[in-house]
Amino acid sequence: GESVGLHLPTLSVQEGDNSIINCAYSNSASDYFIWYKQESGKGPQFIIDIRSNMDKRQGQRVTVLLNKTVKHLSLQIAATQPGDSAVYFCAVLIRRGYSTLTFGKGTMLLVSP
Amino acid sequence: NAGVTQTPKFRVLKTGQSMTLLCAQDMNHEYMYWYRQDPGMGLRLIHYSVGEGTTAKGEVPDGYNVSRLKKQNFLLGLESAAPSQTSVYFCASSPGGEKLFFGSGTQLSVL
Repeated sequence: GESVGLHLPTLSVQEGDNSIINCAYSNSASDYFIWYKQESGKGPQFIIDIRSNMDKRQGQRVTVLLNKTVKHLSLQIAATQPGDSAVYFCAVLIRRGYSTLTFGKGTMLLVSP
Repeated sequence: NAGVTQTPKFRVLKTGQSMTLLCAQDMNHEYMYWYRQDPGMGLRLIHYSVGEGTTAKGEVPDGYNVSRLKKQNFLLGLESAAPSQTSVYFCASSPGGEKLFFGSGTQLSVL
């Protein structure tokens, strides 16, 4: 089956730094990838997504990079703020009949002032 | 716009008791999902539904049942709760099975 992994369970950065959160996946047939942010006590919130026909997609202060050759994606957050402190999950869409998302275990981003 | 609403928000059960978690969405989405979240385990799919009257098993379905009698509602049932089912449960909905919209979660403790 599909496995989705993150390289670091915790990432600590200073306010104003750029943050990079990484994710690896196993199925080369995966064609849709998505990042979620989860604040303490809340449900996951959509950040950004990307399809396999793209290498890069930008949002407001966030960029997702997809490297299909090594089955790796990353989330870059520019000028990290204390409000960015949360757990970040990547998820990969599995198309086996119906489509379901498989989530990684998450990286906790800690932003210190 | 309420989005995805889960009830209850908190519940404590004794081993062997039963309960039902309710998820309601007002976005007319076809797909609905139940996930559980445990420390260090991420989100794991329990059951899902691709339309009214349909359900399917996810990664960790044992001990749970679901029903989708109405398009806007997706119920998760525990017939005989076990301590291993202590977790945070999230419901989600999606228009087409890609981007999911999550509820705020239900914290369930089984003693």
